[in-house]
Amino acid sequence: DAGITQSPRHKVTETGTPVTLRCHQTENHRYMYWYRQDPGHGLRLIHYSYGVKDTDKGEVSDGYSVSRSKTEDFLLTLESATSSQTSVYFCAISEPVGRDRSGNTIYFGEGSWLTVV
Amino acid sequence: DQQVKQNSPSLSVQEGRISILNCDYTNSMFDYFLWYKKYPAEGPTFLISISSIKDKNEDGRFTVFLNKSAKHLSLHIVPSQPGDSAVYFCAASQGGISSGSARQLTFGSGTQLTVLP
Repeated sequence: DAGITQSPRHKVTETGTPVTLRCHQTENHRYMYWYRQDPGHGLRLIHYSYGVKDTDKGEVSDGYSVSRSKTEDFLLTLESATSSQTSVYFCAISEPVGRDRSGNTIYFGEGSWLTVV
Repeated sequence: DQQVKQNSPSLSVQEGRISILNCDYTNSMFDYFLWYKKYPAEGPTFLISISSIKDKNEDGRFTVFLNKSAKHLSLHIVPSQPGDSAVYFCAASQGGISSGSARQLTFGSGTQLTVLP
């Protein structure tokens, strides 16, 4: 158990509405990530954070924004949800590469299933 | 353009036999590789990793082989057990094991392993 809690775990929303997914960690890890998983694509990085108020874009960042006001919380916001954003969203955490063994992998949360109708 | 490819969407193996899952990559800058296992409705779980300075890493029933010249890695599971039935994701990153940076992973699309009793 990597000490990562995602909420909500399941959500159905309508096209055009805003949605925020929350990731909370208890490990005090520096880096936090948001990935989405879609059939045929594996997991793709949306955004990541390298510290409080420090974030950067990933491979599929269009239509998403993130915020990190505390070390333990990383929020993913869909400002105006579209059907193409129906997906499973995974939060992940890691330590800096090489800091210790735990920095050489990243740990995932349980996932948030989002359906946009 | 997928930089990490898992060309077999599914694999069935008899219990007790060897499971071999394959992964190819195109980005020669990748220098650290990981395998994750994922059960339905759960987050991916780290399984085993290998740095590009090695060609083999073993952990119990799991062995990962890396062929840098062919840009190919494989995961061997011996002996296979029914509890190994899951989706296996290959992932790759740059930064080795000592860069101090975030661990940004590029994933393959996954292989569904089914171990038959």
